[in-house]
Amino acid sequence: GDSVTQMEGPVTLSEEACLTINCTYTATGYPSLFWYVQYPGEGLQLLLKATKADDKGSNKGFEATYRKETTSFHLEKGSVQVSDSAVYFCALSAQGGGADGLTFGKGTHLIIQP
Amino acid sequence: KAGVTQTPRYLIKTRGQQVTLSCSPISGHRSVSWYQQTPGQGLQFLFEYFSETQRNKGNFPGRFSGRQFSNSRSEMNVSTLELGDSALYLCASSLSWTASYEQYFGPGTRLTVT
Repeated sequence: GDSVTQMEGPVTLSEEACLTINCTYTATGYPSLFWYVQYPGEGLQLLLKATKADDKGSNKGFEATYRKETTSFHLEKGSVQVSDSAVYFCALSAQGGGADGLTFGKGTHLIIQP
Repeated sequence: KAGVTQTPRYLIKTRGQQVTLSCSPISGHRSVSWYQQTPGQGLQFLFEYFSETQRNKGNFPGRFSGRQFSNSRSEMNVSTLELGDSALYLCASSLSWTASYEQYFGPGTRLTVT
């Protein structure tokens, strides 16, 4: 079945450092790919998405590019802030419409120190 | 536009009881999905409803059920609660069920079974 693999962390960085959170997936066909963020005590917020190969999703300084050849969707940000501290989830939705809903990775806990 | 709302936000139940959780989607959204989030298993898909019909169901026992009303509001029910049902239950709404439509999540209902 479909699966998503991402580093779990915690990942600890200093403010203004560069961020990369790796995400790779296994799926048939051409899934849509998403990054969600979860702040403590809250639900998930959609951060960005990409629906086809070579698409780049971006939002709030975060970017991710849909790489079909490497089945990856790595999340990047050039300069992180303390407010970026949260858990980040990579997810996919299978082609043809979520037969199993969204498939999530385990989540990466990001801690940004001032 | 108001986001996804879930009630109640917190629940404490005793093993063997049953519980009903409610979800109101974003206005105009017709697809509602439910997910269970636990530290051990992460985010797992429970089921999805579209236009009052269950389209998909995840790998959960029959004690977990749901329904959707004509106004797209949804409820999920868990009967004969077990300690392992303690989790954050998240509801997500979407315009439609196809893969490219992003899902918007509510804040969740934190269920504790004692």
